[in-house]
Amino acid sequence: DAGVIQSPRHEVTEMGQEVTLRCKPISGHNSLFWYRQTMMRGLELLIYFNNNVPIDDSGMPEDRFSAKMPNASFSTLKIQPSEPRDSAVYFCASSPGLAGEGSTDTQYFGPGTRLTVL
Amino acid sequence: ELKVEQNPLFLSMQEGKNYTIYCNYSTTSDRLYWYRQDPGKSLESLFVLLSNGAVKQEGRLMASLDTKARLSTLHITAAVHDLSATYFCAVDMPEKLVFGKGTKLTVNP
Repeated sequence: DAGVIQSPRHEVTEMGQEVTLRCKPISGHNSLFWYRQTMMRGLELLIYFNNNVPIDDSGMPEDRFSAKMPNASFSTLKIQPSEPRDSAVYFCASSPGLAGEGSTDTQYFGPGTRLTVL
Repeated sequence: ELKVEQNPLFLSMQEGKNYTIYCNYSTTSDRLYWYRQDPGKSLESLFVLLSNGAVKQEGRLMASLDTKARLSTLHITAAVHDLSATYFCAVDMPEKLVFGKGTKLTVNP
C-alpha cells in the first residue's frame, strides 16, 4: 500500500498567489482530514470529510481557504490569495471509517506539504 | 471545547533512564491515540487505547489510559537514542481527533 500521497512536497510562492495542495487517501478509506502544523500553533485540524462530504470545516482559518473532495481518491486544499502567515506544513490524513458512529479510527498521515509564502 | 494538555513539552534524558509523558484532557472520551513524529517527517501511529484501563506496549514504550482521571501516560523504559522524536497524544472528539502540543524528547548518549 502506497499510503497517503500528497503533492507537492514543497511549495514556495509569493504573497497573493493561489496555492493548491493535493491529497490521495489510502484506497478504501472513508474519512479524510486536512491539518496544518506550525511551531506556534501546533497541529490544527482544518477540515474533514466523510464519504467525500465535508463534515466540519470550523478549523478553516478564513474564506481564503477552501477544500474539496470530488471523489473518494482525491482532495484539494486551496489558498487564494496566499499570505506569509499561511506558511506551514500541511498534512492530509485518512482513516478507514470503521470505528462506528461517534468514534474515530486511527488516522494515517501523508508526508506533508511544506508551504512557504514569501 | 476539548482541551488536551501534554507535559512536559520538552524532555531531555540520558540513555538508559526511565521517564513518563502525561496527557490530560478536559472532557469525557474513551479513545486516545499516541503518535510519533521524527524531525521533518510525518506522524506515525504508535498506540490506540480504546477503553478505561487499556495498556499497550511496544518495545520500550508503554501507554495507558485512565478515562475517569482523563489521563493517559506514555512511559519510556531504558531510553535509547532512537526514541528521540516528538510524541503527540490525540483524543477522540468523537469523529475527529484533538491533538496535544506534543512532547519533544531528546535522548542523549
